[in-house]
Amino acid sequence: DAGVTQSPTHLIKTRGQQVTLRCSPKSGHDTVSWYQQALGQGPQFIFQYYEEEERQRGNFPDRFSGHQFPNYSSELNVNALLLGDSALYLCASSSLQLTGKAFFGQGTRLTVV
Amino acid sequence: GNSVTQMEGPVTLSEEAFLTINCTYTATGYPSLFWYVQYPGEGLQLLLKATKADDKGSNKGFEATYRKETTSFHLEKGSVQVSDSAVYFCALSGSNDYKLSFGAGTTVTVRA
Repeated sequence: DAGVTQSPTHLIKTRGQQVTLRCSPKSGHDTVSWYQQALGQGPQFIFQYYEEEERQRGNFPDRFSGHQFPNYSSELNVNALLLGDSALYLCASSSLQLTGKAFFGQGTRLTVV
Repeated sequence: GNSVTQMEGPVTLSEEAFLTINCTYTATGYPSLFWYVQYPGEGLQLLLKATKADDKGSNKGFEATYRKETTSFHLEKGSVQVSDSAVYFCALSGSNDYKLSFGAGTTVTVRA
């Protein structure tokens, strides 16, 4: 059983560009959350998707947007990239029946230059 | 809003030493509390959790007790191994919240 898979693993983008990160949840999970982890910091919640809708959002600007597909996979899009967006982006999946027991992917390391 | 404060690292220990990582939280209501671990080159993994006051979570020799009176959830292990070297994160989920709020993480290095 594959766990949470994220792609790509590493990415380098130029300031002002747009980026799309992808996540496939663990089998049986219907909820996907995205987190940003800056170097030396704990993960910060960006948003959560359930039933293809954004259910909760953290303190991130509208440049950060997402999508969930009918197969529960998800994308995170970031527009107008800033140097400060450089971080590890983590996807976590869970199911309503196991609220709080989130499974995390290994993340996508985004570097903005 | 909800927040978690955990002791700063890095922490370096010898094998078989006792490990404590302090974690305190601020939250309204009755949050659930978690410890996650991030081993080198791996993703975050749930280590243990507690969902109500006085609950004790335990796993792999680690323990943490939900103390509402001191708003704390300190992580302890009686005898650490080199394989316990990792970054440990304390986290909470509010009673009406879908997100996890994490502390800054504590890097633990265990030397043989």
